[in-house]
Amino acid sequence: KQEVTQIPAALSVPEGENLVLNCSFTDSAIYNLQWFRQDPGKGLTSLLLIQSSQREQTSGRLNASLDKSSGRSTLYIAASQPGDSATYLCAVRVAGNQFYFGTGTSLTVIP
Amino acid sequence: DAGVTQSPTHLIKTRGQHVTLRCSPISGHKSVSWYQQVLGQGPQFIFQYYEKEERGRGNFPDRFSARQFPNYSSELNVNALLLGDSALYLCASSFRAPNYGYTFGSGTRLTVV
Repeated sequence: KQEVTQIPAALSVPEGENLVLNCSFTDSAIYNLQWFRQDPGKGLTSLLLIQSSQREQTSGRLNASLDKSSGRSTLYIAASQPGDSATYLCAVRVAGNQFYFGTGTSLTVIP
Repeated sequence: DAGVTQSPTHLIKTRGQHVTLRCSPISGHKSVSWYQQVLGQGPQFIFQYYEKEERGRGNFPDRFSARQFPNYSSELNVNALLLGDSALYLCASSFRAPNYGYTFGSGTRLTVV
């Protein structure tokens, strides 16, 4: 069974700092990996989608990388802002069109 | 274009009752999936439906059931509610092909008392 782990569970940084969130998965047989943002009590907002054949995707200040063979992905956030404070979830899509999620990293950006 | 819409946004039920949650996918998306997110955890897969047929089921008891309608909207039903069913229930829609990502709705917050 696929297991997804996110480290760290919580992170607090001062505004303007660059940061990296980590995601690891146990089975490399994935179709793609998606990073989501979740504000407290809200649904999931898609940030980046990386196909299994890709190495990275970029959107604005966000860059996500994927190393499928080692079962790892990172989400890089440049020049963090207080509005980036949220929980960040990674999820891998596997056969059967099921997503396996990590438990998330709770990010706080201090003004 | 409207995103994934879920209703209701919040509801409170008593143990033993039944609940129905509703989801309308993005126009053109024929695949709908349901996830349960308990506070502090990542979402857990419950069901996936495509073209009105169940295509995947997670590790949930038979008290949980779902269906998809001809317009691709979906309902999640939970019978004999337990306190542990309190959670945020998320609906996601997608194109069927696995190289597409999921778009999630805002969820239904269910509280069982």
